Amino acid sequence: EAQVTQNPRYLITVTGKKLTVTCSQNMNHEYMSWYRQDPGLGLRQIYYSMNVEVTDKGDVPEGYKVSRKEKRNFPLILESPSPNQTSLYFCASSPPRDRGREQYFGPGTRLTVT
Amino acid sequence: AQSVTQPDIHITVSEGASLELRCNYSYGATPYLFWYVQSPGQGLQLLLKYFSGDTLVQGIKGFEAEFKRSQSSFNLRKPSVHWSDAAEYFCAVDLLNAGNMLTFGGGTRLMVKP
Repeated sequence: EAQVTQNPRYLITVTGKKLTVTCSQNMNHEYMSWYRQDPGLGLRQIYYSMNVEVTDKGDVPEGYKVSRKEKRNFPLILESPSPNQTSLYFCASSPPRDRGREQYFGPGTRLTVT
Repeated sequence: AQSVTQPDIHITVSEGASLELRCNYSYGATPYLFWYVQSPGQGLQLLLKYFSGDTLVQGIKGFEAEFKRSQSSFNLRKPSVHWSDAAEYFCAVDLLNAGNMLTFGGGTRLMVKP
């Protein structure tokens, strides 16, 4: 089954404790992104990657890091989480423009930073 | 500023009634346009998309949307709402640039009365 998976689905942590949220897709997609969802703001892009070893900032990159060492994986790293990073996070993948660019979303990771 | 606007934060309709969810965007060119649905505790599912051609597009679950260039709108419609349609709906645009892949509206939460 074609899918995007994220782990963990739920995470409660404390300020300053480094964490990683994993994302993996099995569709051989070139593009991958991370979004955060906050009430009333919709989803906002954090980082994106156009291919292996190619990453760039989205709209709200502060406080986050990413890496793309393999095509299927795109982990999101919070080096020193703060309470304002409490949010619902989604990973997404898509093929490039000439194949539609429809994005496929993971199930989400709900993060609480206390 | 470039943006995607969903003017209605909450909408309540009776089961069996018709539905229209509004979406307006403010970009110079016609982007790719999408509607996604998010059921409680779930990820985002694509309802439909518009890239070019016929301005009335059909999607899954009986939804359709009409692109109106003159109004910069892409409103979502359904002739008869079912209780299972209760969810949050997001309009999104793809500006077709390299990385900022999807810009979302703030979402409309739909409630369905029995």
